[in-house]
Amino acid sequence: EPEVTQTPSHQVTQMGQEVILRCVPISNHLYFYWYRQILGQKVEFLVSFYNNEISEKSEIFDDQFSVERPDGSNFTLKIRSTKLEDSAMYFCASSRTGRVGEAFFGQGTRLTVV
Amino acid sequence: RKEVEQDPGPFNVPEGATVAFNCTYSNSASQSFFWYRQDCRKEPKLLMSVYSSGNEDGRFTAQLNRASQYISLLIRDSKLSDSATYLCVVNSGANAGKSTFGDGTTLTVKP
Repeated sequence: EPEVTQTPSHQVTQMGQEVILRCVPISNHLYFYWYRQILGQKVEFLVSFYNNEISEKSEIFDDQFSVERPDGSNFTLKIRSTKLEDSAMYFCASSRTGRVGEAFFGQGTRLTVV
Repeated sequence: RKEVEQDPGPFNVPEGATVAFNCTYSNSASQSFFWYRQDCRKEPKLLMSVYSSGNEDGRFTAQLNRASQYISLLIRDSKLSDSATYLCVVNSGANAGKSTFGDGTTLTVKP
């Protein structure tokens, strides 16, 4: 069964450093998303991406965040200058149709900012 | 008021029990509704979409009440493997866009 893959599974970084979280969506999917989940809290939408541009973003997705689809297969989330409160599980998801109920999630990257 | 509010739980039930979760949403313009399941420290996985007429998938039944702005999930004959956190997801547009997840309701099924 095709799946969304994310790397790394766990990243530890120092406050103020830049991190790039990588995702390989399912190959025929056109819509891509990033969500985050702080430990013990709910899943929060960050951004959706379609046709090589951001289609929607939440209040969390400020200037510190950016997304890119650099090569037609990877979909990355960059956090420019990490803060302690960026520590969370980051989930990538992709969808062929754009409907959230038809989005498949990757297994997540656990980001720990120290 | 939260956009999506779920029964706080946790629910601890014996195997074979029937259990129901409720979820209310505040945006009357919400268009699509889903139940996801999340195992500890894993990714959310779609359990089922929720349709206006209600829908059933094996032991699972989902209902939507637009007038009262709530959705429900009923699990019959619960199994140990049903132990997980159940997430209510509400979307206000045709596309995924800003989907809103509830805090989740944790279910533990005991032998």
